[in-house]
Amino acid sequence: EAGVTQFPSHSVIEKGQTVTLRCDPISGHDNLYWYRRVMGKEIKFLLHFVKESKQDESGMPNNRFLAERTGGTYSTLKVQPAELEDSGVYFCASSQDWGAGNTIYFGEGSWLTVV
Amino acid sequence: GQNIDQPTEMTATEGAIVQINCTYQTSGFNGLFWYQQHAGEAPTFLSYNVLDGLEEKGRFSSFLSRSKGYSYLLLKELQMKDSASYLCAVREPLDSNYQLIWGAGTKLIIKP
Repeated sequence: EAGVTQFPSHSVIEKGQTVTLRCDPISGHDNLYWYRRVMGKEIKFLLHFVKESKQDESGMPNNRFLAERTGGTYSTLKVQPAELEDSGVYFCASSQDWGAGNTIYFGEGSWLTVV
Repeated sequence: GQNIDQPTEMTATEGAIVQINCTYQTSGFNGLFWYQQHAGEAPTFLSYNVLDGLEEKGRFSSFLSRSKGYSYLLLKELQMKDSASYLCAVREPLDSNYQLIWGAGTKLIIKP
């Protein structure tokens, strides 16, 4: 069974440009999460989809970030325009159910560097 | 506020035992996770504790004391492949959408 896959694995863009990150969750997982880890800091929650609906987007830093999950399968996270502080690792994760005791499975992350 | 503390780095010897501590202060609690992350790879699930006590799973065990806001991950018979970062995360309750609050991770270095 394929795990959570993310694309691209690495991206270097200039300030002001746009980047779109893609996540394919584990097949059959309705719950999809985006997290971000800035260098040297802890992982921070960004948002959570249940199927195609945004269950919780309280962690999205500002309106330069747009996440979608049309059709309830893969998800994209777009950063437009990118700023220097957006650099970090963006992790996608998925789980079958939502709530206590559910294991969340992570992808390897998309490393974003804004220069 | 929300706060999860774990040591930044620890060093241990192959074959030995190491205990990685995690203390937390969160507005709510609905379980504590430990994840292992090798450099450049995905965090992988190790354990989940929601009740007080010790959960043993092979060479790895995890302990929780909710009254003390404290957990530890115990690794026995250390192997070189155990060199990784170990992440502690607390799940918040339903009224906070079961969000995970993460510690910064403990980098474990295993020496021969």
